[in-house]
Amino acid sequence: GENVEQHPSTLSVQEGDSAVIKCTYSDSASNYFPWYKQELGKGPQLIIDIRSNVGEKKDQRIAVTLNKTAKHFSLHITETQPEDSAVYFCAASGPDTGRRALTFGSGTRLQVQP
Amino acid sequence: EAGVAQSPRYKIIEKRQSVAFWCNPISGHATLYWYQQILGQGPKLLIQFQNNGVVDDSQLPKDRFSAERLKGVDSTLKIQPAKLEDSAVYLCASIPGQGRLSYGYTFGSGTRLTVV
Repeated sequence: GENVEQHPSTLSVQEGDSAVIKCTYSDSASNYFPWYKQELGKGPQLIIDIRSNVGEKKDQRIAVTLNKTAKHFSLHITETQPEDSAVYFCAASGPDTGRRALTFGSGTRLQVQP
Repeated sequence: EAGVAQSPRYKIIEKRQSVAFWCNPISGHATLYWYQQILGQGPKLLIQFQNNGVVDDSQLPKDRFSAERLKGVDSTLKIQPAKLEDSAVYLCASIPGQGRLSYGYTFGSGTRLTVV
């Protein structure tokens, strides 16, 4: 089955700096890669996703890049703010999450220092 | 639209006792998932339903865990008997259903189980 590895496990940045979280996956058939943000006491919330027919996607301060050849994808957060502090999870699936569930990485705890 | 509802929010039980969790997905969502999230780890799939049928329960410890979704709407996850290592957050998620594209999940807030 799919295996997703995520690094780093913790990341501390100063407010205004950029943060990058990286994930690798094992199954070449995977083609859907979402990212989730989990705040304390809450369920994970989808923040951005990418499908394998694109290499990069951006939404305001958040961007995701995908390298299918190397089987890795990354989350980039620019101009970090204290409210970005949370645990971030990458995941992989495809071609249809209705048929094959998401496999999650182990998470990255991001702390943005004011 | 209303989100995924889960109850209870917290549960503390002694080992060897039984416990049940309830999930009501977003209205009209045919696919429902139960995930187990141990502290400090990512969510791990326990079971996936499409309407009231099981799509994948390969990672469900069937000697102690059971789940059902009888009418294809809400779902119940049960543990009997519980072990200390079952202490975790149990997350429910849903998507509209099977199709040609993958969808991100909508998660509930989860049930935090502590087994003592």
